[in-house]
Amino acid sequence: AQSVTQLGSHVSVSEGALVLLRCNYSSSVPPYLFWYVQYPNQGLQLLLKYTTGATLVKGINGFEAEFKKSETSFHLTKPSAHMSDSDEYFCAVSSNSGYALNFGKGTSLLVTP
Amino acid sequence: DAGITQSPRYKITETGRQVTLMCHQTWSHSYMFWYRQDLGHGLRLIYYSAAADITDKGEVPDGYVVSRSKTENFPLTLESATRSQTSVYFCASSGGRNEQYFGPGTRLTVT
Repeated sequence: AQSVTQLGSHVSVSEGALVLLRCNYSSSVPPYLFWYVQYPNQGLQLLLKYTTGATLVKGINGFEAEFKKSETSFHLTKPSAHMSDSDEYFCAVSSNSGYALNFGKGTSLLVTP
Repeated sequence: DAGITQSPRYKITETGRQVTLMCHQTWSHSYMFWYRQDLGHGLRLIYYSAAADITDKGEVPDGYVVSRSKTENFPLTLESATRSQTSVYFCASSGGRNEQYFGPGTRLTVT
């Protein structure tokens, strides 16, 4: 079964520092991978996705992620954190259940002044 | 308005009562999903639907019922609510094996 593990339920960085949120996946088939952000009291919004092709994918708000098959990883990065990046982030992999997604448990990012 | 909507946004109910959460999307997406979000668990799939009149169980279906008589609607019913069903419920839709679009969620409290 397809699954993801997000390392670190809470990550804190200083404003302007590199953001690195870790996601490792397991999949018996070529995976489709996603990062979503959840704003307070709202649904999830897609940040970026990997389906096929280029392994470095760029998303909204300056985020990007690199698909590394050899490491079964799909870590999310941003070169310079902003205070407004403080939110909950979820990594997800496509499942066999009618194209549903299997989500990680989430990482809460806090950007401090 | 275009998009995916959920109603109600907030609901408090008592143990044993039946509750229905509504989900409506305007994109004519084939696939629709119900997830629940609980602290420490992320989002877990309850039920999904590949098309009208086609539904299937997800990871945590016990105590829930769904129907899909029209493509745009996918209601979720708790037949006899329990406290363990206190959660935030998200509906999502998708046109296929790509990104899902999420509704704003329904926060349900069972007392």
